[in-house]
Amino acid sequence: DAGITQSPRHKVTETGTPVTLRCHQTENHRYMYWYRQDPGHGLRLIHYSYGVKDTDKGEVSDGYSVSRSKTEDFLLTLESATSSQTSVYFCAIMGQGASNEQFFGPGTRLTVL
Amino acid sequence: DQQVKQNSPSLSVQEGRISILNCDYTNSMFDYFLWYKKYPAEGPTFLISISSIKDKNEDGRFTVFLNKSAKHLSLHIVPSQPGDSAVYFCAAAKPAYGGSQGNLIFGKGTKLSVKP
Repeated sequence: DAGITQSPRHKVTETGTPVTLRCHQTENHRYMYWYRQDPGHGLRLIHYSYGVKDTDKGEVSDGYSVSRSKTEDFLLTLESATSSQTSVYFCAIMGQGASNEQFFGPGTRLTVL
Repeated sequence: DQQVKQNSPSLSVQEGRISILNCDYTNSMFDYFLWYKKYPAEGPTFLISISSIKDKNEDGRFTVFLNKSAKHLSLHIVPSQPGDSAVYFCAAAKPAYGGSQGNLIFGKGTKLSVKP
């Protein structure tokens, strides 16, 4: 258990509403990541963070923003949700070292109607 | 442009036999490769990895083989068990630059079914 929680675990919202997903870790890891998983696409990186207030874009960042004001929390915000953002969102962490192994949270299933 | 490809969406194997999952990549800059297993309604879990300086890594029933010249890696599970039924993702990483250490590029996954 890598000590990662995600909240909420499920959310249904309407097009145009803002949504914030939270990832919380208890391991004090430096690196944190947000992915989305869609059928036929595998896991795609949205944004990542390499420290407090240090974030950068991933492969599918359009329509998403992130914030990391403390080591343990990494927030993903959909400013104005669209139906194409219906997906399962996973947070991941990675510790120091050369192994590149990431550990994933349980996921948040988001439905945008 | 898909840099990591898992061309078999599904694989069915009899319990006790070998499962071989394949992965191809296009970017010769990748220097680390990982396999993840994912059960429904759960997050992916790390299974095994291999550095590009090696051609084989073994962990119990799981062995990963890397053929750099062919840009191909495979995961062997011997013997396969019904509990191995899951979706398996191949992932690759490039050497870190700036803050991008650990950024992974995933394949689309292969669903393994192990029949009793």
